[in-house]
Amino acid sequence: KAGVTQTPRYLIKTRGQQVTLSCSPISGHRSVSWYQQTPGQGLQFLFEYFSETQRNKGNFPGRFSGRQFSNSRSEMNVSTLELGDSALYLCASSLVRQGAYEQYFGPGTRLTVT
Amino acid sequence: AQKITQTQPGMFVQEKEAVTLDCTYDTSDPSYGLFWYKQPSSGEMIFLIYQGSYDQQNATEGRYSLNFQKARKSANLVISASQLGDSAMYFCAMSPLGRDDKIIFGKGTRLHILP
Repeated sequence: KAGVTQTPRYLIKTRGQQVTLSCSPISGHRSVSWYQQTPGQGLQFLFEYFSETQRNKGNFPGRFSGRQFSNSRSEMNVSTLELGDSALYLCASSLVRQGAYEQYFGPGTRLTVT
Repeated sequence: AQKITQTQPGMFVQEKEAVTLDCTYDTSDPSYGLFWYKQPSSGEMIFLIYQGSYDQQNATEGRYSLNFQKARKSANLVISASQLGDSAMYFCAMSPLGRDDKIIFGKGTRLHILP
């Protein structure tokens, strides 16, 4: 079974631009979560989508948005990029294991904003 | 509110020694799951081990075991016979059972295995 895939793996953008990241979950997984990881803040939860609906949301500004398609693939968008948005963005698809959400992560997209 | 605390930002351990990475948690949920993930320098998060709060026995997966002490709210990861390839960032995480809520992560411990 293929793992979680994320595209692109690396991205360089300039301030003010917008960016779209893509995530394809493991086949059969309906939940997709997004995280931002920076050296200073650690792993921070952005949002979770389940069956095309945003189910949970972290404390990020409205510049960060996402969506999920009927095939469970998900995209996240960041508009008006700021230098502080430089980070590793991780996507995870979830399997419910004995009632708990076990997450499988993709390799991440490393975004650099200059 | 749920919280995961990993008090060791970094650790240095000699190869072949056993390692214990600390994790304490706080939750009001009666049932929950605890996880450990490994993140090598490549960035990908790798699932290591899972423990349900209702499990009577500590979870084990190969060289990994979880020392679960429910009364103390601790879920330490033990790596036996450490290897150079174990050098990575390790995250403890928790999610509630039976309700839809996000998984939360600790800030991680960076483990360095010395040859």
